[in-house]
Amino acid sequence: QVQLVQSGAEVRKPGASVKVSCKASGYTFTGYYIHWVRQAPGQGLEWMGRIKPNNGDINLSQRFQGRVTMATDTSLSTAYLELSGLKSDDSAVYFCARRRLAGTAAYFDSWGQGTLVSVSS
Amino acid sequence: SYELAQPLSVSVALGQAANISCGGVNIETKNVNWYQQKPGQAPVVVIYKNVNRPSGIPDRISASISGNTATLAISRAQAGDEADYYCQVWDNSYVIFGGGTKLNVL
Repeated sequence: QVQLVQSGAEVRKPGASVKVSCKASGYTFTGYYIHWVRQAPGQGLEWMGRIKPNNGDINLSQRFQGRVTMATDTSLSTAYLELSGLKSDDSAVYFCARRRLAGTAAYFDSWGQGTLVSVSS
Repeated sequence: SYELAQPLSVSVALGQAANISCGGVNIETKNVNWYQQKPGQAPVVVIYKNVNRPSGIPDRISASISGNTATLAISRAQAGDEADYYCQVWDNSYVIFGGGTKLNVL
C-alpha cells in the first residue's frame, strides 16, 4: 500500500534551518508530485509548494520563496523540505502529500504522518 | 489571489444531516476536493473532483457545487464524523485551502 513516512520531530532556535524528510513506498516514486503542507497549532492547512520527483521541478507558494528548498533522492524514494531563517511562527506540523490525478483534476490521496517543528529560543 | 471561505464551525445532532459550505468566486469552474482531519492525524480526502468519493468513504458523505459555493453534506451524522473539514482547489498551479470548518456532533 502507498505510504509516506516522515522524519521525527525537530526543535530549532530562531534563525536556524530545519530539514524534513518524507520516504515513499508502495508506488513508483517518480510518477507522482510530492507537495508540502504545514499546519500551525490550532490553525488550518497552508500549502508550501511541490516538487516533481522525476526532474526536480519546483513550484513554491510566494510566501515561502527564498526560504524553502525542496529536493528528492529518487534512489531512496525520499523527498526533502528545508526551511531556513526559522521564526517562532514557523512552529507547525509539516506534512508531505502525494498528488493523484483524476482526469483533468488532482487531489492529495496519501499524506505523511506529519513532522512537528518547534522554533524556540 | 484566490480565496475560499468556510464557516468556522457547524453543529449537528447525532443522526441528523449537516452541510458545510465553501465559498469562492466562480468556484463551480474549479475542481473542489474535501478533506477530513481528526485531532493529531493527517488529513484524509473524502471527496475529490467536486462529487467523487474515494473507496472506503461512506455514501453518507456527498458534495455538490453551484455558482460560488461548494457544499459538503453529511447525513445521519455519527460521533466519528466530528472533525475539521477543509475544501481545496487549484488556482494557476497553486494550491488553495479553505480555512477549515469544525464539525461538532452533539
